[in-house]
Amino acid sequence: SAVISQKPSRDICQRGTSLTIQCQVDSQVTMMFWYRQQPGQSLTLIATANQGSEATYESGFVIDKFPISRPNLTFSTLTVSNMSPEDSSIYLCSVVTKVGTEAFFGQGTRLTVV
Amino acid sequence: GDSVTQMEGPVTLSEEAFLTINCTYTATGYPSLFWYVQYPGEGLQLLLKATKADDKGSNKGFEATYRKETTSFHLEKGSVQVSDSAVYFCALSSGNTGKLIFGQGTTLQVKP
Repeated sequence: SAVISQKPSRDICQRGTSLTIQCQVDSQVTMMFWYRQQPGQSLTLIATANQGSEATYESGFVIDKFPISRPNLTFSTLTVSNMSPEDSSIYLCSVVTKVGTEAFFGQGTRLTVV
Repeated sequence: GDSVTQMEGPVTLSEEAFLTINCTYTATGYPSLFWYVQYPGEGLQLLLKATKADDKGSNKGFEATYRKETTSFHLEKGSVQVSDSAVYFCALSSGNTGKLIFGQGTTLQVKP
């Protein structure tokens, strides 16, 4: 298993600003992901955070809007840039320790953009 | 591409009623299947899983059987409690990427 600490847990931000979300895992993991959960919706994968290289983004998500860093096997950040009210969502960090097994999730960051 | 379809909610039941939440999937290859639960104001927790056909996952009185012939993974519980009120997500993982594809989620409300 893996224990994930994500912060902040929630924030209210002004439009046009940026927020960086941190994800810390208690053990080294190969696979780390960032998901978005819009209000009342399911989870959508934003990107795979690759250690030491650029993240791999899913269709509809771009690096300029959601820059991701992953300097080592236990830590990653997601930045939501130039925010608008449409970015109001829960952002979740997730890790998978072995392909085909379950993913573990952080508690999420509840972001409200005003 | 791969996808997961869940029955729409919300589902409202009385305490001790029988629960079924339907989940079907489309995938190439042989995916692993999961049910996650999200309690109000909390993150996602794994409820149960199955990694191959005919496997039955179970936890906290919930069960789901991996049915390859019907591409289904329906969630069942014989007697629900108020504390089971939450959003339930069916998900699959296929290939070697570790990515999860989620269904749309089903909200369950159990009334005393």
